[in-house]
Amino acid sequence: GENVEQHPSTLSVQEGDSAVIKCTYSDSASNYFPWYKQELGKGPQLIIDIRSNVGEKKDQRIAVTLNKTAKHFSLHITETQPEDSAVYFCAASKNSGYSTLTFGKGTMLLVSP
Amino acid sequence: DAGVIQSPRHEVTEMGQEVTLRCKPISGHDYLFWYRQTMMRGLELLIYFNNNVPIDDSGMPEDRFSAKMPNASFSTLKIQPSEPRDSAVYFCASRSTGTPRGNEQFFGPGTRLTVL
Repeated sequence: GENVEQHPSTLSVQEGDSAVIKCTYSDSASNYFPWYKQELGKGPQLIIDIRSNVGEKKDQRIAVTLNKTAKHFSLHITETQPEDSAVYFCAASKNSGYSTLTFGKGTMLLVSP
Repeated sequence: DAGVIQSPRHEVTEMGQEVTLRCKPISGHDYLFWYRQTMMRGLELLIYFNNNVPIDDSGMPEDRFSAKMPNASFSTLKIQPSEPRDSAVYFCASRSTGTPRGNEQFFGPGTRLTVL
């Protein structure tokens, strides 16, 4: 089955700095890679995703990159703000009806003012 | 829509007791997932349903765990008997394959279970 590795497990940055979280996956058939943000006491919420036919995707201050050859993908957050503090999860799946998400272990991001 | 609804939000019980967690998916969604979240193991998929039918329960840790989905708007996860190692946050999520964003799973707020 799929295995997703995520690092770092914790990341502390100063407000305004950039943050990068990296993930690797094992199943070359995976072609859908979402990122979820989990705030304290809440369920994970999708913030951005990328499919294997795209190498990079941006949405305001966040961006994801995908390298299918190397089987890794990354989340980039620029101009970090205190409200970006949360746990971030990467995931991978095949893009089919019965496909399920395999999640990484999560990265706790702390943005200090 | 109110999103995925889970109840109770917190549950404290004693070892050996039966625990029932409840989930109401987003209306119209055809997939429902149950996850368990712990510090050690992260987010683990326990079981998922498609159109109320269980598709894969290979993530259910033991026979003490069971899940049902009697209709499109309700699912339960039951633990009987409960043990301290079952303490975790349990999430329900749903998704609709009939939309352009069919891969997106919408998570509920979770149930924090503590077994003493």
